[in-house]
Amino acid sequence: QVQLVQSGAEVKKPGASVKVSCKASGYTFTGSYMHWVRQAPGQGLEWMGSINPNSGDTDYAERFQGRVTMTRDTSITTAYMELSRLRSDDTAVYFCATETAAVTDAFDLWGQGTLVTVSS
Amino acid sequence: QSVLTQPPSASGTPGQRVTISCSGSSSDIGSNTVNWYQQLPGAAPKLLIYNGNQRPSGVPERFSGSRSATSASLAISGLQSEDEADYYCASWDDSLNGPVFGTGTKVNV
Repeated sequence: QVQLVQSGAEVKKPGASVKVSCKASGYTFTGSYMHWVRQAPGQGLEWMGSINPNSGDTDYAERFQGRVTMTRDTSITTAYMELSRLRSDDTAVYFCATETAAVTDAFDLWGQGTLVTVSS
Repeated sequence: QSVLTQPPSASGTPGQRVTISCSGSSSDIGSNTVNWYQQLPGAAPKLLIYNGNQRPSGVPERFSGSRSATSASLAISGLQSEDEADYYCASWDDSLNGPVFGTGTKVNV
């Protein structure tokens, strides 16, 4: 079954870090970039960055540079997104997303989302 | 980071046709393909249209996309109650080196 399964909800204090996992199955994990997109409550979608699971090369949106780290473990076909120095406005649902061989230049496979709540 | 501009809401009665606009710039829609996503409450986005007017397997033909210069549109014909959702356009942004999303449009049926 082609799917992305993310880790569960997290509650963090301001200043802490959070690491979200995204387990891929049913397609070639190293064949397409893994992207991370977040959505604050009642807000739109925001791209955070991507990782090439094959090489490990990353590309981060400028506003997250220095706070976000994307990694992967090809042995278990899992991608990770770690966000540090959390603030209250980082409260959001974080999605991993990728494209399968069925489409080009679009995200046709999404994880279920992970709610990260930042609160003191 | 810049976003693509969409109307906040659109509405129609069952069977009607609804169109959602998406306005961008030369660095995104003007030079790259446009995708559309549907997001039901509490769910992850679902790809509806890619490469401007292509539908992934399983997406009904009543969803169609078009693009002109730095704008794009999504049309829903034969509106159904299950189409009530948020819709987002997206396009690659050359300056961001990543995708930029629209502000989102809530469709009420």
